[in-house]
Amino acid sequence: SQTIHQWPATLVQPVGSPLSLECTVEGTSNPNLYWYRQAAGRGLQLLFYSVGIGQISSEVPQNLSASRPQDRQFILSSKKLLLSDSGFYLCAGGGTGNPEAFFGQGTRLTVV
Amino acid sequence: AQTVTQSQPEMSVQEAETVTLSCTYDTSENNYYLFWYKQPPSRQMILVIRQEAYKQQNATENRFSVNFQKAAKSFSLKISDSQLGDTAMYFCAFMKLGSNTGKLIFGQGTTLQVKP
Repeated sequence: SQTIHQWPATLVQPVGSPLSLECTVEGTSNPNLYWYRQAAGRGLQLLFYSVGIGQISSEVPQNLSASRPQDRQFILSSKKLLLSDSGFYLCAGGGTGNPEAFFGQGTRLTVV
Repeated sequence: AQTVTQSQPEMSVQEAETVTLSCTYDTSENNYYLFWYKQPPSRQMILVIRQEAYKQQNATENRFSVNFQKAAKSFSLKISDSQLGDTAMYFCAFMKLGSNTGKLIFGQGTTLQVKP
């Protein structure tokens, strides 16, 4: 079955520090991959998606970037974190035969 | 652009009773999917039920069923015989059919509390 591994589970970072969140996929190949952010008590906002290696689309302008160096690896990065980057980040996959997306367990990022 | 609206930020229900969560959406697409996801305190997103827009029959999954009204662009979730484990945040989500399978537009979520 399709599985997304996402780490770390929690992260506390100072303002101005860099960020790297990684997501890897098992059990399928050539998935569509997505980064979502969930602010406290709010819905999920799509940040980036990728339909293949090196292909990144950004949904909202922001302080973050994404990369897909391998088919089953998706990375969310920032050179300098802002307080507003705090939130819960979810990696998701899709396009593998089923219409529904499958999710990682998320990373809770707190920028202090 | 598609939008999804959940107008009930919080709801509560007594154990064993029935509760309905509301969702409306806006789209000009004709072919799409609608989903309900559950996010318990663990924050793991769990698919509850899905509905294909081209199907008139409402989807059901055990105690969970939907009332899909395509013309009204309404997609409500009914939970029967509510259990304590149903306590979670519930998200309604829209997905257009096409190459970006998995690209979801989410509502704001409804926090459901099941009381003993």
